[in-house]
Amino acid sequence: EIQLQESGPGLVKPSQSLSLTCSVTGYTITSGYDWSWIRKFPGNKMEWMGYISYSGSTNYNPSLKSRISITRDTSKNQFFLQLNSVTTEDTATYYCARWGGGYYFDYWGQGVMVTVSS
Amino acid sequence: DIQMTQSPSLLSASVGDRVTLSCKASQNIYKYLNWYQQKLGEAPKLLIYYTNSLQTGIPSRFSGSGSGTDYTLTISSLQPEDVATYFCQQYNSWPLTFGSGTKLEIK
Repeated sequence: EIQLQESGPGLVKPSQSLSLTCSVTGYTITSGYDWSWIRKFPGNKMEWMGYISYSGSTNYNPSLKSRISITRDTSKNQFFLQLNSVTTEDTATYYCARWGGGYYFDYWGQGVMVTVSS
Repeated sequence: DIQMTQSPSLLSASVGDRVTLSCKASQNIYKYLNWYQQKLGEAPKLLIYYTNSLQTGIPSRFSGSGSGTDYTLTISSLQPEDVATYFCQQYNSWPLTFGSGTKLEIK
């Protein structure tokens, strides 16, 4: 069974960097598919942030392009989100998910709530 | 970016009712439209992909339809376990975008 699990700090100070990890079990991230980060803001607006493909290439939402980096550690079957220069507007629940076959998000993590506050 | 607008934002219906949720895109998305269900405290779950294809394991009371800019998720007979927020998502073009959800409650 494929499972994704987010981890990382729940509180980040403004202007600092937000760093999250997605640990994947049941599937090797280099075998296929694209591995995404998605966030849901208070009020339910959801935003696709970007992905890292099985080959290591990345694709980011242009709205975040100057602040976001998605990387991976293939030895640990993990991928990571770094979002720089955060503000209170980055307060959200962050999800990792698999973009399956170019059609849909078929596996999701449970999500991790991150609050940006001093 | 393609904007996705869902309506209503809140829907209250009785068990057994036929329920219809709407999703409108700001431009033609050629049926590249998915629906997800998110129950409180859980991860989103894929219900329907490519407008009307039911994901494996999803009850047949869920169905999708639409074309162009207008899409619909229908629950033929509402069950108590269907209480959730439902999101649409387009994949006609990048960046992928979501609607802001319809919260479905039992009356």
